[in-house]
This record gives sequence, structure tokens and C-alpha cells, in this order.
Amino acid sequence: DVKVTQSSRYLVKRTGEKVFLECVQDMDHENMFWYRQDPGLGLRLIYFSYDVKMKEKGDIPEGYSVSREKKERFSLILESASTNQTSMYLCASSRPGQGSQAGELFFGEGSRLTVL
Amino acid sequence: GDSVTQMEGPVTLSEEAFLTINCTYTATGYPSLFWYVQYPGEGLQLLLKATKADDKGSNKGFEATYRKETTSFHLEKGSVQVSDSAVYFCALSSPAAGGSYIPTFGRGTSLIVHP
Repeated sequence: DVKVTQSSRYLVKRTGEKVFLECVQDMDHENMFWYRQDPGLGLRLIYFSYDVKMKEKGDIPEGYSVSREKKERFSLILESASTNQTSMYLCASSRPGQGSQAGELFFGEGSRLTVL
Repeated sequence: GDSVTQMEGPVTLSEEAFLTINCTYTATGYPSLFWYVQYPGEGLQLLLKATKADDKGSNKGFEATYRKETTSFHLEKGSVQVSDSAVYFCALSSPAAGGSYIPTFGRGTSLIVHP
């Protein structure tokens, strides 16, 4: 069964802490994405990556960075967590190009981060 | 840029009622269209999709038809169950440079089904 795994389902951090959210996929997908989900705002794209060591800013990259050293792993980093980054974070992956799965996203279960 | 607009919720129905959740989109080119579902406490999962005009996607009794002339992809189900209670997201993916697809999501519609 194909899978996207997020390392932590629930995290509680303090303002100013550095936070790492890890995501691993076992489908050999080139594309990986980080979203945050907030009530009434839906999903907003933070960063995405087309390939190893490549990254592109999404709609709301401020306050975040990412790392993709290996194809299967895409990490989201909050350099100095703030209370307005309290949210649900969703990782997803997809295949590039044409084909029956083109554009289809596979999601992890989410990481709920609370910043105090 | 691309955008997806879906009806605001929550939508509250009794079991066995008919469901429609409206979704319209704006996109250049020929996007693929998707409905994702998010059950409480879980991530999103694909419910159905359509990749070209007039295609009908269907799964678990849900269906949606890709209407290019009205730029719509409305989700329907003839008889909802309590277990269908979830948040439903309409989405599109358009091809970008290099052959990759950039997804765009609607804000989600919460469905609550009462026994």
C-alpha cells in the first residue's frame, strides 16, 4: 500500500523554538508538497519540490524553509516558531508528467502543531 | 492564476438525502479536476477525478462530471450516509513547466449527515 508518512501527529512547541516536520514517501514520487490547513482558509501551499535539492516557494513561504536531500524525504523547518504558525501541516507527493495519476496528490495524515 | 471556488458549508443533511456540493474553477489550458475527502483526524484522500471535458469520475456512490462549458465539477451523491460526514475539497491540477502539475484547492465544504 502506497504511503506518505509524517513523523509527528501532534507537537507542542514554544515561541522561538526551531521545529522540524518530516515527511517520507515510498512511491518514488518526484514531486512533494507542504501545505498548512486552517479553518475557513482551506489548504495553502507553503513550499514544493520537483526533485532532490530543488525547492519552489508556494503561496505562503514566509517563516518557513524546506530541505530535500533525498528523493523520498521532504522536511519543513520553522526557524523560529511563532504562535501564528499553530496549524495542521499536511505533506503530499505526486508523480510528474502525463499518465493516469498525473496531478493526483497522496497525502500524509497531517501534523498538528501548537506553538505556545 | 488558477482558482477553485466551492460552496461554503457546513452542509447538513439527513441520512438518505441527495447531496450536491458545487465547485467551479478558473484555469488556463486543460486541467485535471479532483475531489478529495478528509475524514475527521485524517489527511486528505482522493475521492474521484476527471482528466478531460465530459469525463465523469465516480467512487463510493459519489460522482462528478467535468463541464468545460460551465467550468464546473459539482459533486453529487444520491443517498448520503452518516459515514459520509467529512470535509470535501475540490481541486485542479494544471501542467506547469517541466511536466509537473501544480495543484490548486478550494476551501473545503464540511458535510454533516444526521441519522
